[in-house]
Amino acid sequence: EIVLTQSPGTLSLSPGEGATLSCRASQSVSGSYLAWYQQKPGQAPRLLIYGVSSRATGIPDRFSGSGSGTDFTLTISRLEPEDFAVYYCQQYGSSPATFGQGTKLEIK
Amino acid sequence: EVQLLESGGGLVQPGGSLRLSCAASGFTFSSYAMSWVRQAPGKGLEWISAISHTGGNTYYADSVKGRFTISRDNSKNTLYLQMNSLRAEDTAIYYCAKDRLKGDSSNWNPRFDPWGQGTLVTVSS
Repeated sequence: EIVLTQSPGTLSLSPGEGATLSCRASQSVSGSYLAWYQQKPGQAPRLLIYGVSSRATGIPDRFSGSGSGTDFTLTISRLEPEDFAVYYCQQYGSSPATFGQGTKLEIK
Repeated sequence: EVQLLESGGGLVQPGGSLRLSCAASGFTFSSYAMSWVRQAPGKGLEWISAISHTGGNTYYADSVKGRFTISRDNSKNTLYLQMNSLRAEDTAIYYCAKDRLKGDSSNWNPRFDPWGQGTLVTVSS
């Protein structure tokens, strides 16, 4: 099973700043099948990015994904108040599908 | 608009059983694979089971294999999860989620979009 390790565990930033979240895989992610989800308190996760860099429907362009092989990044260019949440990466290139442990993005 | 509505959660004793349902609307249910993903209190996400669009292929995480059974009724647009031999570590919010594919190819693995609002399962004496 592919283990995904996200860093940092918590990221403290202010609105307007940029955020960089990392996701490292224990082995290469097949087919660039890497997704990112956002989860706010009391809500279900929401798909942000799939296929490493494709934004899901309705996701603002301040969210972008990049990377390949074992190292992936979610970048939020200018943080809005509604962006403070927990973010998870997920790989769906190998069985079983697995998630990272999450990065909490909190207001500084 | 795609909508997924889970039900059936609750408090159950260790060793007990529970059946979750997920009512789907807003899309052609019979054309897509579906999954269950759970989240223990204060913890991360864990995929536990998936089913192909016809129900002919089912997939399980090792943590639930042999205890949980996924199924679907395409005539009722409903996904199910039968949970037996429940343990304290099964306590979690259980989400159903739609896939982007049919889920019947050999190299398919699930991706989740959208998700239902979840139903809480508590296993405790």
